[in-house]
Amino acid sequence: AQKVTQAQTEISVVEKEDVTLDCVYETRDTTYYLFWYKQPPSGELVFLIRRNSFDEQNEISGRYSWNFQKSTSSFNFTITASQVVDSAVYFCALSEAPYGNNRLAFGKGNQVVVIP
Amino acid sequence: DAMVIQNPRYQVTQFGKPVTLSCSQTLNHNVMYWYQQKSSQAPKLLFHYYDKDFNNEADTPDNFQSRRPNTSFCFLDIRSPGLGDAAMYLCATSRDRGRGETQYFGPGTRLLVL
Repeated sequence: AQKVTQAQTEISVVEKEDVTLDCVYETRDTTYYLFWYKQPPSGELVFLIRRNSFDEQNEISGRYSWNFQKSTSSFNFTITASQVVDSAVYFCALSEAPYGNNRLAFGKGNQVVVIP
Repeated sequence: DAMVIQNPRYQVTQFGKPVTLSCSQTLNHNVMYWYQQKSSQAPKLLFHYYDKDFNNEADTPDNFQSRRPNTSFCFLDIRSPGLGDAAMYLCATSRDRGRGETQYFGPGTRLLVL
C-alpha cells in the first residue's frame, strides 16, 4: 500500500498564478516526519521543509507555504505567484521508521510546469 | 558552503562494463545513502552507510555494491551494468539515521548504458 499519495501527476499554471500540491500520507505511528523536496530539471533533490507530527502550525517561507492537517493526514504545499523557476517535480516524503532506519517513503511526485 | 558532491554528472558505460560512481560530502554527516531514480519515478533507496556499517535494502540487486573508505567519500559500484540500470543515481547524507533526520542530496549522476 502506498504510504504517500500525490494524486496530481502534472500541473500546468500560468506565471503568477498560485498552485497547490496535495500530499496525503498513511501511518500508524504517532511520531513521524514529513518532507517536501524540489527536483528541478538539473536533477538535484532540494530540501524544502521538514515537519514533525506534533507541530501542526502552518509555515510560510517566502512564496512557499505548507498546510499540515493531521485530521485529514495531509501536508499540502502552495506556491504563491508562481514563477518559471518553480517548474520542477515536487516530492512529498514520510519518515516513520524507528531509530536506526531513516528510510523515506516518497510519493510519486507532482510535475509543475509554469508557463510564462 | 557545506555540500554533497557527485562525480561525474554524466557517465556513459557499455553493457557489462563495470562502472563506479563517486560521492563526497563536506557536511561531516554520519550517514550516506545511494538512491536509484528512473525516469518519472520517485527515488528508490539502494543502501546506506551508518559510519562504516553497511545496510543493504532487501530488493537491491547483487550487481550493486558500495564502499565507504572514510567519512567523506562513498562509492557506488555497478559490477555488470545492464540496460535496465540506466538511471539517475543520487547520493544523500544525513547527520544521523534516526527517523526524521533530513537527507541532503547531491546533484546526481545520470548513467547511460549502451
